[in-house]
Amino acid sequence: EADIYQTPRYLVIGTGKKITLECSQTMGHDKMYWYQQDPGMELHLIHYSYGVNSTEKGDLSSESTVSRIRTEHFPLTLESARPSHTSQYLCASSTGADTQYFGPGTRLTVL
Amino acid sequence: TQLLEQSPQFLSIQEGENLTVYCNSSSVFSSLQWYRQEPGEGPVLLVTVVTGGEVKKLKRLTFQFGDARKDSSLHITAAQPGDTGLYLCAGLNSGNTGKLIFGQGTTLQVKP
Repeated sequence: EADIYQTPRYLVIGTGKKITLECSQTMGHDKMYWYQQDPGMELHLIHYSYGVNSTEKGDLSSESTVSRIRTEHFPLTLESARPSHTSQYLCASSTGADTQYFGPGTRLTVL
Repeated sequence: TQLLEQSPQFLSIQEGENLTVYCNSSSVFSSLQWYRQEPGEGPVLLVTVVTGGEVKKLKRLTFQFGDARKDSSLHITAAQPGDTGLYLCAGLNSGNTGKLIFGQGTTLQVKP
């Protein structure tokens, strides 16, 4: 059973607001990932981290930013949310070149 | 750029029928994983195939990795309503950096 948590599960906000999506894992995994997924579609990697103080942009360009100050915590921030940011955001972690464990996701709606 | 093409994108069948989902690429992958995702949840790993030609079975699900490690298939025998969900294949890129390349997904609906 994977122990990876995301909060909030659902978020509805107005345009221009700053938001932070939280992701935490208790498995001690070095690698963590953020994906963006539209309903019923594939996952697009937007950020990843191979350890503390290491962050890289993924294959899909995103206006969001991430930080990795602690191994277990990988928050994603949008400084000024727009309707185009409406999507599901999934966080995952892994020990290496191997299984990724996913959190339940945050469904974000920007009005 | 490595891409994975999944087909079909949508499948609606009756309980008891068999089905096969395909995942194809022109690129070689170190390994390939299949995930199942239910609405409002994150994907959950079903299986990882590593060796070309490998076949793995998980109850009524049979997974196969192509000999050249460029393609994979998922076959479900006697589908049940509980099999309903989004099935995603994901390939581990050849650089072995841990980054997964996901297919577009196959939405399966099994009607009772």
